[in-house]
Amino acid sequence: SQQGEEDPQALSIQEGENATMNCSYKTSINNLQWYRQNSGRGLVHLILIRSNEREKHSGRLRVTLDTSKKSSSLLITASRAADTASYFCATEPTGNQFYFGTGTSLTVIP
Amino acid sequence: EAQVTQNPRYLITVTGKKLTVTCSQNMNHEYMSWYRQDPGLGLRQIYYSMNVEVTDKGDVPEGYKVSRKEKRNFPLILESPSPNQTSLYFCASSRSRGYGYTFGSGTRLTVV
Repeated sequence: SQQGEEDPQALSIQEGENATMNCSYKTSINNLQWYRQNSGRGLVHLILIRSNEREKHSGRLRVTLDTSKKSSSLLITASRAADTASYFCATEPTGNQFYFGTGTSLTVIP
Repeated sequence: EAQVTQNPRYLITVTGKKLTVTCSQNMNHEYMSWYRQDPGLGLRQIYYSMNVEVTDKGDVPEGYKVSRKEKRNFPLILESPSPNQTSLYFCASSRSRGYGYTFGSGTRLTVV
């Protein structure tokens, strides 16, 4: 079973705009992570937020976590064409497994 | 360079012919895992390993085997591949639980 579900499934924006994607999950987690995947390639780790954190920043990325709503959001500010990719949230519940969602496909139009 | 190396990148095989996809990491990571990625289904965990000689099933282990005899290597074995195992496979490693994963470049497997 999949823990995370991203929303929207696809997002298209103009270069310079902000992109927001959301992730909802089902059970308690130790941490939540966001990854980027360029078409057909390996995933790249972007940021990890622990269950006791509410917000985290890394460059143009801002991640929030609301454990009461079991949801997270990833904000990419001032988007660039190079940000075009699929973005996945991944959750690490209390067991040993690690779950990915189905992803949000982001297209940034130059 | 810290990396996870998978081989081969592309593989076309016939039903029933045993194959192995290799995975090696040079970061002394304890945790390693295999995923398959299929359109509309995201990434699903096949097997994972917490450390040498410690492996466990993920969500979709049927038809796959793994072994972890050395810390750096975590091969994925398909004893009798079937067409429904046609997929994009990723190996990933992590220092331990609670840390981000490093992914390999993927192996695109086609079983005819």
